[in-house]
Amino acid sequence: DAGVIQSPRHEVTEMGQEVTLRCKPISGHNSLFWYRQTMMRGLELLIYFNNNVPIDDSGMPEDRFSAKMPNASFSTLKIQPSEPRDSAVYFCASSPGDRSYSNQPQHFGDGTRLSIL
Amino acid sequence: SQQGEEDPQALSIQEGENATMNCSYKTSINNLQWYRQNSGRGLVHLILIRSNEREKHSGRLRVTLDTSKKSSSLLITASRAADTASYFCATEPMDSSYKLIFGSGTRLLVRP
Repeated sequence: DAGVIQSPRHEVTEMGQEVTLRCKPISGHNSLFWYRQTMMRGLELLIYFNNNVPIDDSGMPEDRFSAKMPNASFSTLKIQPSEPRDSAVYFCASSPGDRSYSNQPQHFGDGTRLSIL
Repeated sequence: SQQGEEDPQALSIQEGENATMNCSYKTSINNLQWYRQNSGRGLVHLILIRSNEREKHSGRLRVTLDTSKKSSSLLITASRAADTASYFCATEPMDSSYKLIFGSGTRLLVRP
């Protein structure tokens, strides 16, 4: 079975440019998560979608970050304009659980390593 | 915010030895999960232990949970070089069943 697929795997761009990260969750999973991983702050939850609806975006750093899930098989995380401090590894994860159904593992993609120069 | 804190931060052992990692957390939980992350890859789910369970096994993995002390341990027996990775505990808070809060991880090196 295909796992969570993220693209691109690596992105290097200059400060001020728009960055779009993409994610295809595992088919049939109702929940989708975007995380950011840095050495200083570890793994942070940015946003959680359930059935394509954003439920918790309290982890989104600021208005420069936005995420969408137009359908059950695709999500994007956009940074506009990007800044050097956004450099990190961004992970997408999906899960068959939802808000009322816990005890489910999350399945992670291999991440996008983002470098903003 | 990080709820789970792993101990030690780094561990180096010889192949064949056992590796023990500990995790402490702060709030009431539905479950605690352990994940492995190899360099340059995503996290891989290893094992989930529910709040009403005290011990769970999966192959060479043994996880314990002590909710009174808000702590868990992961034991990897007969370690192999391929076990070299970072290991994270993650807790699902009782008041937000969708959310996992990850600890800072333990970097395990298994020397051949």
